[in-house]
Amino acid sequence: DAGVTQSPTHLIKTRGQQVTLRCSPKSGHDTVSWYQQALGQGPQFIFQYYEEEERQRGNFPDRFSGHQFPNYSSELNVNALLLGDSALYLCASSPGNTLYEQYFGPGTRLTVT
Amino acid sequence: DAKTTQPPSMDCAEGRAANLPCNHSTISGNEYVYWYRQIHSQGPQYIIHGLKNNETNEMASLIITEDRKSSTLILPHATLRDTAVYYCIVRVGAGGFKTIFGAGTRLFVKA
Repeated sequence: DAGVTQSPTHLIKTRGQQVTLRCSPKSGHDTVSWYQQALGQGPQFIFQYYEEEERQRGNFPDRFSGHQFPNYSSELNVNALLLGDSALYLCASSPGNTLYEQYFGPGTRLTVT
Repeated sequence: DAKTTQPPSMDCAEGRAANLPCNHSTISGNEYVYWYRQIHSQGPQYIIHGLKNNETNEMASLIITEDRKSSTLILPHATLRDTAVYYCIVRVGAGGFKTIFGAGTRLFVKA
């Protein structure tokens, strides 16, 4: 049983560009959350998707958007990249509306130059 | 903002118990205490969670005080592979929820 998978592993972009990160949840999980982790800090919640809709959102600008597909996989899009967007982007999945723990993927390391 | 307070770092000798404290004095009645850890360059890994009773699984034990304002994660026999950042989180367990991480405790297990 594959866990949470993310692609790509690493990515280098230039300031002002746009980027799309992808996540496939653990089998049986229908809720996907995205987090941004800057170097030396804890993960910061970006947003959560359930039933193809954004259910909760953290304190991130509209440049950060997402999508969830019918197969529960998800994308994170970031427009007009800033140097400060350089971070590890983590995806976590869980069975929706339950007490179960979230399973995290290995993350995508984004570097903005 | 994170609702928990943890020491920034701790040391533990290999083979000894590691006791990681967490203060969550503003915890609500419907909030659970969750512990995750993050080994360098990997995604966080779930360890254990509890509401008010002490909990134990194959990885660790969780001791929650009677007033629920603090808790302790216990790794009974720490190994070098337990060196990681440990996050204590409080959140509602069910329904739409988001996990707010603080800075965590960096645990160093030394030989």
